[in-house]
Amino acid sequence: AQRVTQPEKLLSVFKGAPVELKCNYSYSGSPELFWYVQYSRQRLQLLLRHISRESIKGFTADLNKGETSFHLKKPFAQEEDSAMYYCALTAGTASKLTFGTGTRLQVTL
Amino acid sequence: GAGVSQTPSNKVTEKGKYVELRCDPISGHTALYWYRQSLGQGPEFLIYFQGTGAADDSGLPNDRFFAVRPEGSVSTLKIQRTERGDSAVYLCASSSTGGGSPLHFGNGTRLTVT
Repeated sequence: AQRVTQPEKLLSVFKGAPVELKCNYSYSGSPELFWYVQYSRQRLQLLLRHISRESIKGFTADLNKGETSFHLKKPFAQEEDSAMYYCALTAGTASKLTFGTGTRLQVTL
Repeated sequence: GAGVSQTPSNKVTEKGKYVELRCDPISGHTALYWYRQSLGQGPEFLIYFQGTGAADDSGLPNDRFFAVRPEGSVSTLKIQRTERGDSAVYLCASSSTGGGSPLHFGNGTRLTVT
């Protein structure tokens, strides 16, 4: 069975500081990894997916199969980055997403 | 519509009652998902439809939970004999094809069982 672990419930950083939201997964095959974000009073939405290898809103995430990690990074945090972030995994040909418990990012001045 | 629509946004019911939660996906999306999110947790998979059929219902917790999608568009999640432990936000999402295509979520229905 697949599992996604986000060890931090809350991450508080100052504006302009680097951000790293941790995500580890367990799955024996080749997973597809995602980051979803929920801003205050908005619906859950896709931030980025590892196969796209793109940067969205300054965020990047690299899949490290050796460490089974998919950490989300941004070099300089902005106030508008404050939100709830969920790491998620799709395993093999299955369509369902398995989510982690989420990390609340709080960016303060 | 512009996005996934869920109704009602809030539902309060008494223990033992029956409830129905509705999801209207993005037009043309063949895949539809139901998730449940309890306080402090991530969304937990319940069921996935591809068209009219349930392709994966492995997340339904027990036989009190049932979902339908008779015409391949709107879906209804049905909960019989509700229990206090069923209280949660029920999220619906749709995607264009399923597989690994991105999910578009609704705002959810907050169910409270008293």
